[in-house]
Amino acid sequence: QSVLTQPPSVSGAPGQRVTISCTGSNSNIGAGHDVHWYQQLPGTAPKLLIFGNNNRPSGVPDRFSGSKSGTSASLAITGLQAEDEADYYCQSYDSSLRESVFGTGTQVTVL
Amino acid sequence: QVQLVQSGAEVKKPGSSVKVSCKASGGPFSSYTISWVRQAPGQGLEWMGRIIPFVGFANYAQQFQGRLTISADKSTTTAYLELSSLRSEDTAVYYCARAHGEPNRFDPWGQGTLVIVSS
Repeated sequence: QSVLTQPPSVSGAPGQRVTISCTGSNSNIGAGHDVHWYQQLPGTAPKLLIFGNNNRPSGVPDRFSGSKSGTSASLAITGLQAEDEADYYCQSYDSSLRESVFGTGTQVTVL
Repeated sequence: QVQLVQSGAEVKKPGSSVKVSCKASGGPFSSYTISWVRQAPGQGLEWMGRIIPFVGFANYAQQFQGRLTISADKSTTTAYLELSSLRSEDTAVYYCARAHGEPNRFDPWGQGTLVIVSS
């Protein structure tokens, strides 16, 4: 059972902006641990999309951005494109469990 | 850059064990931390554990304690996951990934290994 909660799905038309929330608690995000985000295209391994709350690895378009506040974090996708259809996961560390933890995952659909 | 290549799919009987390999190339293996993450069909990602090959230290998610062994062979730059007492709920794709930073982020990932547990 995931300790980070995400909406099961979000959708938007091409060109629109969508956001995905990641809600944790005082033992993970709220404890100050950074949040990372992954994109998983159908049938492939996850790929690091955002690290350290709001940093993009080389090669990731600047349409993707992250933020963190309190016990939550968010991923924003601006200028939505068909190729952005994928599952997205947040990830952090939980001090109580002493484990890395993932969010429940969000499926993004481009209408 | 770092590349991780995993062993092929496995079909196992309930109660048996499975061992999945993850061969690393590019960069000094001893400086890696390798984590294992699994994904059941249609489900999300689940962190299982990690190993620091340089010191041979491994730690595991609580729910896998006693059933999971993660090891590494520095001479072949290969990490291993061994899961015992398999049950149908262990049917999943198992991924290895390089873990770095604090908290660990996972990049890159292996291609995944499908393990099917079925009688």
